[in-house]
Amino acid sequence: RKEVEQDPGPFNVPEGATVAFNCTYSNSASQSFFWYRQDCRKEPKLLMSVYSSGNEDGRFTAQLNRASQYISLLIRDSKLSDSATYLCVVNLSGGSYIPTFGRGTSLIVHP
Amino acid sequence: DTAVSQTPKYLVTQMGNDKSIKCEQNLGHDTMYWYKQDSKKFLKIMFSYNNKELIINETVPNRFSPKSPDKAHLNLHINSLELGDSAVYFCASSLRVSGNTIYFGEGSWLTVV
Repeated sequence: RKEVEQDPGPFNVPEGATVAFNCTYSNSASQSFFWYRQDCRKEPKLLMSVYSSGNEDGRFTAQLNRASQYISLLIRDSKLSDSATYLCVVNLSGGSYIPTFGRGTSLIVHP
Repeated sequence: DTAVSQTPKYLVTQMGNDKSIKCEQNLGHDTMYWYKQDSKKFLKIMFSYNNKELIINETVPNRFSPKSPDKAHLNLHINSLELGDSAVYFCASSLRVSGNTIYFGEGSWLTVV
């Protein structure tokens, strides 16, 4: 089983839609979780951290489910500018800290 | 005011050559990384240094040799380049070694012909 798995998509949605991505991780000891956004031919940039209690930043909501070992990202009222690849990152704290990226989920928002 | 800068941005070279990519961060971070993103867009960690010490060395051919002269710099030297080395190489840094946000450079597009 891959350490961090994402559905590559693409998710093709109209403007205004709500879309959700999941990311599963294999190591139950994982401690830190993030969502990054990567635009075409650009570097990944932090979108938001994922906290145990869940967190929201404007139209974006991130949640963590430790029991089932996945994190999710919900985007409400999608904008054309949300079109990008969304990467989840799982970090294992302690001696073997390796920030591991998923393969990313491609989102295309169309008019 | 670039936080993580890497050079060159584009590099086209022939098989068998040796090349280097340089990286510098001005964020005062302790930890730096090299990631490789292949044609399938998979971002895979190669190396990580914390305060000039190697802490992560993933399964990477020994033709790849990182060097960290100080904690603000992490360079990547590649010997005997192969076609399969063609990829985007991202340098990155984080404040400390555990659980912090990672900041990426703009990437170095390497094409081996």
